[in-house]
Amino acid sequence: DQQVKQNSPSLSVQEGRISILNCDYTNSMFDYFLWYKKYPAEGPTFLISISSIKDKNEDGRFTVFLNKSAKHLSLHIVPSQPGDSAVYFCAASGGSNYKLTFGKGTLLTVNP
Amino acid sequence: GAGVSQTPSNKVTEKGKYVELRCDPISGHTALYWYRQSLGQGPEFLIYFQGTGAADDSGLPNDRFFAVRPEGSVSTLKIQRTERGDSAVYLCASSLMGGPGELFFGEGSRLTVL
Repeated sequence: DQQVKQNSPSLSVQEGRISILNCDYTNSMFDYFLWYKKYPAEGPTFLISISSIKDKNEDGRFTVFLNKSAKHLSLHIVPSQPGDSAVYFCAASGGSNYKLTFGKGTLLTVNP
Repeated sequence: GAGVSQTPSNKVTEKGKYVELRCDPISGHTALYWYRQSLGQGPEFLIYFQGTGAADDSGLPNDRFFAVRPEGSVSTLKIQRTERGDSAVYLCASSLMGGPGELFFGEGSRLTVL
């Protein structure tokens, strides 16, 4: 039973365009959400997070949107760059529960 | 180093053997986590340490898996009687205080059980 779902295994976009990565969750106890980026043979690196008290958080080219009623969040990358090509994981935690539950990831390819 | 360090980076072993994987967290980080990432999956939680004690080991798949952190810094994940299904990348992460928020991950130890 996957509590965090990333339904698109892969996404390909052109350099300079917007990349939108989606994530759905089922556990209503989740109240903190994170996106991690992972290059091959490296560990995941933190990208951006959002608390459930917000519906948007922005950091440079990266913006995360949270729709609590739909249990859906998305990561927008604008403009996309070839160096953004990586696997992106959505993760969630709930209440005093420190454990992160990860989705399966989406492989983003940004073509020059 | 400044980041989370994991050794070995690669380990190939035979079914039934014993394996130890080591994690050296970021200095000063009291919280340490082990995750396992199988092919095509996201990282899955195994165990969480706050200081020297295992605060939650509910993710350990069975009693062949054990982890220690005797001095509240370096941690060792121990796998007895390895099975082919144990093949995965074992990721260690640390954070300053624990609780929800950013975890800093190491590069992982890739375990292959033949």
